[in-house]
Amino acid sequence: AQSVTQLDSHVSVSEGTPVLLRCNYSSSYSPSLFWYVQHPNKGLQLLLKYTSAATLVKGINGFEAEFKKSETSFHLTKPSAHMSDAAEYFCVGDGSGNTGKLIFGQGTTLQVKP
Amino acid sequence: GAGVSQSPSNKVTEKGKDVELRCDPISGHTALYWYRQSLGQGLEFLIYFQGNSAPDKSGLPSDRFSAERTGGSVSTLTIQRTQQEDSAVYLCASSLKGGAFNYGYTFGSGTRLTVV
Repeated sequence: AQSVTQLDSHVSVSEGTPVLLRCNYSSSYSPSLFWYVQHPNKGLQLLLKYTSAATLVKGINGFEAEFKKSETSFHLTKPSAHMSDAAEYFCVGDGSGNTGKLIFGQGTTLQVKP
Repeated sequence: GAGVSQSPSNKVTEKGKDVELRCDPISGHTALYWYRQSLGQGLEFLIYFQGNSAPDKSGLPSDRFSAERTGGSVSTLTIQRTQQEDSAVYLCASSLKGGAFNYGYTFGSGTRLTVV
């Protein structure tokens, strides 16, 4: 993907309610797309990846994302938020298709309220 | 090692001084990347090493920045004559094979650089 846009810089949900983090991409070729999570003072952890196989991708910790070519979207969802999900989330695309150069979205901070 | 190791985890330096940041990738990973995460910004690509090929330096912001990778393993990112705008978290990632996205990337915990 040549660009990745995360539509919300901050999302706040209550514990036990659904999570939706929105990501749109722009690409002239079939992209690979990822979601990474970064907890405070921790490294980036891969949640899930889309690489042109199934359009609905399941990741760790109950997260999933659906690749929708018609909408150029790759939104991240989870049915029920946990307090431990509070972190920063990055939608990431492959910058040039074959070099491994990743293009990061600006990030979405997820706040989970008790 | 079990993961990507970066050192130091924190570095405070005076403006104008040189700094070296180290990345020790996962053993056997041929691809190594450096990214920079500035406050309030997303991650910015800096440089990419793949095996013995010439590195992709297209993301380095100025000629004060350089990086090398010795023996296809450990990498050092050097910033000369540091400026305050260099303050950021510098992240290293490695991958089993560059460009093969199915392998995924493993990121280190980063080096937080503060230039005062």
